[in-house]
Amino acid sequence: NAGVTQTPKFRVLKTGQSMTLLCAQDMNHEYMYWYRQDPGMGLRLIHYSVGEGTTAKGEVPDGYNVSRLKKQNFLLGLESAAPSQTSVYFCASSYLGQGSGQPQHFGDGTRLSIL
Amino acid sequence: DQQVKQNSPSLSVQEGRISILNCDYTNSMFDYFLWYKKYPAEGPTFLISISSIKDKNEDGRFTVFLNKSAKHLSLHIVPSQPGDSAVYFCAARGGSGNTGKLIFGQGTTLQVKP
Repeated sequence: NAGVTQTPKFRVLKTGQSMTLLCAQDMNHEYMYWYRQDPGMGLRLIHYSVGEGTTAKGEVPDGYNVSRLKKQNFLLGLESAAPSQTSVYFCASSYLGQGSGQPQHFGDGTRLSIL
Repeated sequence: DQQVKQNSPSLSVQEGRISILNCDYTNSMFDYFLWYKKYPAEGPTFLISISSIKDKNEDGRFTVFLNKSAKHLSLHIVPSQPGDSAVYFCAARGGSGNTGKLIFGQGTTLQVKP
């Protein structure tokens, strides 16, 4: 039972490089989310999706783009990485939206360092 | 503007004793609260939740208390076990339906000593 799988687990980038983080869930959840976790800041929502083909901005969307071409996948892209984007990124999914209070299922995170 | 605050970055407790983790919020419109637990190199996992219409919710060793007038909630773990050592995040729901958002606190690292 895989749940939410994130790839890669670790990555080091140089400033200005681009990359895509992949999130895959096998629970047939409608809602998917990307968060970043920084020391002393908790989890902050970057972008989210309420279903296949839809995306919306969260609390800290600048510098990121997302796509949800398939229901089970949610991609997070960095077009031109900056040191301020050094963080741990978590993907999550849920059957109902955040407003339902239903718990989200999280992946194990991607640790990204931008030099 | 931190709407959900966990003012204690860390807490150390002896095995078998009670652990109390605190969380304060500023927005009186928050109506649902959740606690997540996170081990190193893993994602957060849901622990327990409480609706604003209640003041207490219990699940085994874990109890969450909500004081709406003080805008304060706490998680009690009794008795504490070494396996409870983790980072604990509280989260509050703002709004409802599909537009509702979860706001997370900064987290508290709990260490339970054998």
